[in-house]
Formats: sequence, structure tokens, C-alpha cells
Amino acid sequence: TQLLEQSPQFLSIQEGENLTVYCNSSSVFSSLQWYRQEPGEGPVLLVTVVTGGEVKKLKRLTFQFGDARKDSSLHITAAQPGDTGLYLCAGVWSTLTFGKGTMLLVSP
Amino acid sequence: NAGVTQTPKFQVLKTGQSMTLQCAQDMNHNSMYWYRQDPGMGLRLIYYSASEGTTDKGEVPNGYNVSRLNKREFSLRLESAAPSQTSVYFCASSRELSYEQYFGPGTRLTVT
Repeated sequence: TQLLEQSPQFLSIQEGENLTVYCNSSSVFSSLQWYRQEPGEGPVLLVTVVTGGEVKKLKRLTFQFGDARKDSSLHITAAQPGDTGLYLCAGVWSTLTFGKGTMLLVSP
Repeated sequence: NAGVTQTPKFQVLKTGQSMTLQCAQDMNHNSMYWYRQDPGMGLRLIYYSASEGTTDKGEVPNGYNVSRLNKREFSLRLESAAPSQTSVYFCASSRELSYEQYFGPGTRLTVT
């Protein structure tokens, strides 16, 4: 069974701060997906990273896939209250395996 | 274009009762999934259907059955509900297995 560990589990910051969340595994992924889930809703896909070392940007969000394809990070620049939510990484093998998520709270 | 829809949104059952959770997608996706989400446990795969006519067990299938009724619909049945099945259930679909998944809004189930 492949396991994904996300850290930190919970992050509470002020608007305008920068932050990074991490997703790590001992297994190599074929690719990795990041989702955001708002309270009372289903997860929504943010990005898929496929190639080792790949960097993708989505406005203020920067996603990086480790060279060995075992880890990934999500960096948010100048966080806003609208960024509040649960951030989930999911490793792609035959099906998706989700990490437990990082709960981000951005206060005004 | 509604995406993935789930019914009901909320349900309370007594131990031993049965119920079926319904899921439908209008994106012509081949693959569909059922997950449960519990505090501190993340999303765990219950069953999935790689394509119409096939179903497979995921990580936590015990106590559940599924039916892929047609390409659009994938239902999850609890034959004899137990308090341990109290959870939020999400249905998802994707173009093919392990492609990006689209989730429904979830069903919050409480078993007393």
C-alpha cells in the first residue's frame, strides 16, 4: 500500500503571508495531483504534475514535483482568505491514493 | 452541465437499516469512484468502476456493494448500516482510470 504524508496538518496564517505545504512518499509516483476542498464541498483539482523536477504555476500557487518523483510541494505567495481550505495531494498509481491533507486557514 | 451529482445530501439511518447512495455524471467519463472521508483519515477509496460493466474493490470495501448501472450512473449500497459507516461519501468520475477526477458535493451519512 502506497502512503502519502502531508505536512503540516494544519496551518493558520494572516493574509499576505507566504506558505509551503509538503507531500511525501517512499514510493515513486507516475504523476501527482493537487486538490483543494472547501467546507461542505467535494475536492476540486488544481493541477497535475508528471515529470520529475516539473514546476507549475497557477496565479499565486506554485507546484513542484521532486526530481525523484517521490515528493511534491505547494507554495502560496501572499495568501488571501479565499485560499482557505483543505489541500490534498494524490499519488497516481493504478488508482489515486490521497494524503490526509493540510487544512489552511487564512485570516484577514 | 451539472458535472457529478449525488443524492441524497444528508441521511440519518438506524443501525441495521439499508440504503443506496446515487451518483450520476454527465461528462461521458469512463471511470467512476466512491470514497469516504473521515476526520484524520483523508479520502479512502471504497469501490471503483474503471469502465461500464466492471467494478473493483478499493481500500475499504467491507460493508458496501456497488452497481455500475450504465455509463452515467454508479450507486453505492449499504445493506446493514453500522455506526462505523458514519462518514461523508463522495462520488467522483474521470475520463479514464487515474486521470484527473471530478467530485460530487458529497452525502453526509449518520448511523445511530
